[in-house]
Amino acid sequence: GDSVTQMEGPVTLSEEAFLTINCTYTATGYPSLFWYVQYPGEGLQLLLKATKADDKGSNKGFEATYRKETTSFHLEKGSVQVSDSAVYFCALSDNTDKLIFGTGTRLQVFP
Amino acid sequence: DSGVTQTPKHLITATGQRVTLRCSPRSGDLSVYWYQQSLDQGLQFLIQYYNGEERAKGNILERFSAQQFPDLHSELNLSSLELGDSALYFCASSIDQAGGYNEQFFGPGTRLTVL
Repeated sequence: GDSVTQMEGPVTLSEEAFLTINCTYTATGYPSLFWYVQYPGEGLQLLLKATKADDKGSNKGFEATYRKETTSFHLEKGSVQVSDSAVYFCALSDNTDKLIFGTGTRLQVFP
Repeated sequence: DSGVTQTPKHLITATGQRVTLRCSPRSGDLSVYWYQQSLDQGLQFLIQYYNGEERAKGNILERFSAQQFPDLHSELNLSSLELGDSALYFCASSIDQAGGYNEQFFGPGTRLTVL
């Protein structure tokens, strides 16, 4: 079945460092791809999405590009802030709209 | 605030017991989804309801059941609880328009602890 694999955490960075969180997927069709963020004690929030190959999703300085040839959707940010500390989930959605999540990557940003 | 509410926020119970988790979707949303987040299984889709009818089923145990009522709120019933059922249970809702992806908005979750 469809699945999502993302890098293990935690990822620990200093403020203003460059962030990459890797995500690859396996799917039989043409899924939509997402990054969700979970701040401590809160539910998940949609960070960005891409619905077809070569689409770039972006929000709050975060970006990810849907790469069909490498089945990847890596999350990047040029300069992280302490407030970006959270758990980030890569996910895909098939035609049924249910979300299939990766295991999550905890990001810790220190001043 | 996503507009999705879940009650209770925390629930502590014993093995063998039964509990009910409640979810109120955003105003106007017809679909409700339930997810389980546990340390060993990660975030897993359990079940989806659309306008009162079951639409999709994921890794939901037979001991678990759900329903969506005419006012569109949903309840997830967990019975014969085991230690391994301890998890954070999320509800999400979407408007479910035809064509394209329907963004899901997540509630804050109910943390279930089974002792």
